Amino acid sequence: SQTIHQWPATLVQPVGSPLSLECTVEGTSNPNLYWYRQAAGRGLQLLFYSVGIGQISSEVPQNLSASRPQDRQFILSSKKLLLSDSGFYLCAWSLPNTEAFFGQGTRLTVV
Amino acid sequence: QQPVQSPQAVILREGEDAVINCSSSKALYSVHWYRQKHGEAPVFLMILLKGGEQKGHDKISASFNEKKQQSSLYLTASQLSYSGTYFCGTGNSGGYQKVTFGTGTKLQVIP
Repeated sequence: SQTIHQWPATLVQPVGSPLSLECTVEGTSNPNLYWYRQAAGRGLQLLFYSVGIGQISSEVPQNLSASRPQDRQFILSSKKLLLSDSGFYLCAWSLPNTEAFFGQGTRLTVV
Repeated sequence: QQPVQSPQAVILREGEDAVINCSSSKALYSVHWYRQKHGEAPVFLMILLKGGEQKGHDKISASFNEKKQQSSLYLTASQLSYSGTYFCGTGNSGGYQKVTFGTGTKLQVIP
């Protein structure tokens, strides 16, 4: 069966520090991969999605970047965090024309 | 553009019914419904595709009106476990790509 792993679960980082969140999927090949951000009490904002290795589409211009170095690995990064980067970050995967499955999320607090 | 959900919040007693609506200003190909418990990842409920029929499982069902660019989620004989925030996601192409989520409907079921 397919599983998705996302870590860390919680993270507190100072303003100006770098960020790296990692997501891996097991049990499937060539999935579509996504990063979403959820601000407190808000909806799910699509940040990046990828349909293959090295293929990244950015939905919202921002302080973040994403990379897909391997088929089932998706990384969200920032060189310098801002206070506004705080939120709940969710990684998800899907196959074409199917629903998405979400990881357990990373709660990021920038202080 | 983000779909609009209504109501924003609703409180039900166990056994009561509820309807959550989702509308878009754009032509839709698909509608995705998810439920999220506080602090957890969203869990897939169902997907409705253009030209598809009304779907449902157990006591939760949904409809998709392509012409009106609307979808509704029906919860019948609500249970305590139905509490959470419900999100609709709308897609304008096949597959789970660029699915845009609404701001959510917070549903609370009380004894």
